[in-house]
Parts: sequence; C-alpha cells; structure tokens
Amino acid sequence: GDSVTQMEGPVTLSEEAFLTINCTYTATGYPSLFWYVQYPGEGLQLLLKATKADDKGSNKGFEATYRKETTSFHLEKGSVQVSDSAVYFCALSDSQGGSEKLVFGKGMKLTVNP
Amino acid sequence: DSGVTQTPKHLITATGQRVTLRCSPRSGDLSVYWYQQSLDQGLQFLIQYYNGEERAKGNILERFSAQQFPDLHSELNLSSLELGDSALYFCASSALRLSTDTQYFGPGTRLTVL
Repeated sequence: GDSVTQMEGPVTLSEEAFLTINCTYTATGYPSLFWYVQYPGEGLQLLLKATKADDKGSNKGFEATYRKETTSFHLEKGSVQVSDSAVYFCALSDSQGGSEKLVFGKGMKLTVNP
Repeated sequence: DSGVTQTPKHLITATGQRVTLRCSPRSGDLSVYWYQQSLDQGLQFLIQYYNGEERAKGNILERFSAQQFPDLHSELNLSSLELGDSALYFCASSALRLSTDTQYFGPGTRLTVL
C-alpha cells in the first residue's frame, strides 16, 4: 500500500538556520502531496501542497517540490524562526483504492531556539 | 480557525465505557474523515464519509463505528473502551472526494481511558 517516509527528529535549530526535512513516498497511482504542521496543543494545519509532478508548493517561506523521478517532496525553509517550532508531517492522498484518505509520515518535531 | 469543529475537547472515561465524538465540517464540505493520533501508531486513518454515505474504512476497530447525518455532521462512536484507545481523535473535512482536495482538520478530541 501507499506509504510516506520522513525524517523523524527531533531536530533543534538556531533562529535563522536553514531547514530541510526529507520526505519520500511510495504510491500506486498519482498522489497529491502535502505538508501539514501541528503546533503544540493544536490540530493539523495545511502548510503547502503539490498535486502533480514538478509542482512547487510554497507558504510562509517554506517550499517543497514534487519530484516524481525520486518520489520525494522535501520541505525547505531558508531561515527558520522561533515561531516555526512545531511538528511537521508529510502526507499523500491517492484515490487509488477508493478513498482520498491521507497517509502520513511519522512526523518530525522541530524546535527553534533564539 | 479551520472551520471544522469538534466536541468535546477532552474526554476522560473508564475501560468498558462508550463515548461519542462529534464533528461539524466546514460549511459546504461533503467529505468527512476521522483519524486517530497516538504516540505508537502516529496518525492513522479510521473512516471516510461522503455526502452521508460511508466511502472507505481504514484501521478502524469493530468496537468503533461512525455515521454522517443529513446535515453533514459526523459522529464517531467508541465502545467497550480499552486503555489502548487513549489517543487524539481528529476529524477533517474536504469539499469533494478528490485526492487534490485540501483536508481541513478540527482541533481534535483527546480521549483518556482510565
């Protein structure tokens, strides 16, 4: 079945550091790819998404490019802030099998220190 | 605010009991999803409804059931509760049933089984 593998961390960075979170996927069809973020004590929020190969999703300084050839969707940010401290989940949705359910990676906890 | 509401926020109950979790999707969204988040299993898809009908089941135990009502709100019923059922339960909604749709998550219900 479909699966998502991502860096799990936890990771601690200093403010203004560069962030990369690796995410690779396995899917039978042509999935859409998502990054969700979970701030402490809250639900999941969509950070960005890409729905076809070579699409780039971007939001709040974060970017990720849908790479079909490497089945990857790595998340990057050039300069992290303390407010970026959260858990980041990579996910895919693939209608193969009759459901648009999200399949999540295990999540990566990021702490950014001032 | 995602527009998805869940009640209650917290639920503490005893083993063997039955509880009902409620979800109101974003206005106009036809698809509702339930997910369970636990430390050992991560985020797991439980069940999806589309416009009142069950569309897909995931890793949902037989002790659990759900339904979506004509006004599109949904309820997740958990019975014969066990300690291992303690988790965060999220509801999400999306406009239609496309893998490209964004799923919007509610704040979750934290269930503690003692």
